[in-house]
Amino acid sequence: EIVLTQSPGTLSLSPGERATLSCRASQTVYSNSLAWYQQKPGQAPRLLINGASSRAPGIPDRFSGTGSGTDFTLTISRLEPEDFAVYFCQQYGTTPLTFGQGTKLEIK
Amino acid sequence: EVQLVESGGGLVQPGGSLRLSCAASGFTFSTVWMSWVRQAPGKGLEWVANIKEDGSDKYYVDSVKGRFTISRDNAKSSLYLQMNSLRAEDTAVYYCARGGYTYSLWGQGTLVTVSS
Repeated sequence: EIVLTQSPGTLSLSPGERATLSCRASQTVYSNSLAWYQQKPGQAPRLLINGASSRAPGIPDRFSGTGSGTDFTLTISRLEPEDFAVYFCQQYGTTPLTFGQGTKLEIK
Repeated sequence: EVQLVESGGGLVQPGGSLRLSCAASGFTFSTVWMSWVRQAPGKGLEWVANIKEDGSDKYYVDSVKGRFTISRDNAKSSLYLQMNSLRAEDTAVYYCARGGYTYSLWGQGTLVTVSS
């Protein structure tokens, strides 16, 4: 099983700042099969990025994904108030499909 | 409207059974893989199972193998999860999700609580 470790656990930033979230895999993620999701309290997750760097339809271009192999990053270029949420990475190249434990992005 | 609506959650005793349902609308259900993903209270996400478009292939996380069964009825645009021999650690919100590997559409979730 591929274990995904996200860091930091909590990130405190202000609107307008840049956010950098990390996801590290315990082994190589096959074919960069890495996705990012955003989840707000009481809501289902929303797909942001798949294939490590491809934005899902309707996702603003302030969200970008980079990385390959075992190290992946989600960057939010300029934080909007609605971006404060929990973010999860997921690998889908190998079963079982696994998720990271999440990074909480909170308002400073 | 494109949506997924789960039902069937509730309180069940350890060792009991529940059947979750997910009604899909607004897209061609029979052409997509479908999945169940769960989230224990205050915790992260866990993939549970997925099923191919025609139901011919099914995959499960090890912790539910032999206890849970995923199925679908394409004529009714519905997805199901039969859960037997439930344990306390199965307590979670269960989400129905469109896709076999990444999930572009989610339901609102249904809470399953396993407790005596």
